[in-house]
Amino acid sequence: DVKVTQSSRYLVKRTGEKVFLECVQDMDHENMFWYRQDPGLGLRLIYFSYDVKMKEKGDIPEGYSVSREKKERFSLILESASTNQTSMYLCASSPGTSGLEQFFGPGTRLTVL
Amino acid sequence: QKEVEQDPGPLSVPEGAIVSLNCTYSNSAFQYFMWYRQYSRKGPELLMYTYSSGNKEDGRFTAQVDKSSKYISLFIRDSQPSDSATYLCAMSNYGQNFVFGPGTRLSVLP
Repeated sequence: DVKVTQSSRYLVKRTGEKVFLECVQDMDHENMFWYRQDPGLGLRLIYFSYDVKMKEKGDIPEGYSVSREKKERFSLILESASTNQTSMYLCASSPGTSGLEQFFGPGTRLTVL
Repeated sequence: QKEVEQDPGPLSVPEGAIVSLNCTYSNSAFQYFMWYRQYSRKGPELLMYTYSSGNKEDGRFTAQVDKSSKYISLFIRDSQPSDSATYLCAMSNYGQNFVFGPGTRLSVLP
């Protein structure tokens, strides 16, 4: 079974803090994605990566950055957390170039106070 | 207009009912259409995907795509309480653009 793990299920941070969300997949997938999920808005793509050290902006990259130093690990960084970044963050990975079948982690519920 | 629209529900049905979940979209370039299921406090998981127009069946689930109307559906036959979840449609033009709908929350009552 494909397994995608995220470093924390729940996280509480203060405004202005730098926040790191880690994601690890164990199936040698090329593609990895970071989404945020908000009620009524669904899943919105923040960043994705098709290969090590490669990254592409998604629909809402502002306020976020990412790092992919190893194939299995994709990190999301909030440089200076703000209250409007309170959300559920989901990481996903997929094989091949299409990204059609994405395997999701359990999510990190981030609250920024 | 949002790129993908989906009735948020919640939709409550009795056990054994046929459920119809629907999405409409605006981008005619989409070629691949997917349905994901998300249980509470879990990440989404892929149920099935179809390419272009037509039907695809997998057990109690049938996915239907009508590209001319920009409308996709997921039918669940003989619904079970274990089907209670949020169902997300998603669509793609093969890696160029991948968009999820906001999801429909379904409750199947025993």
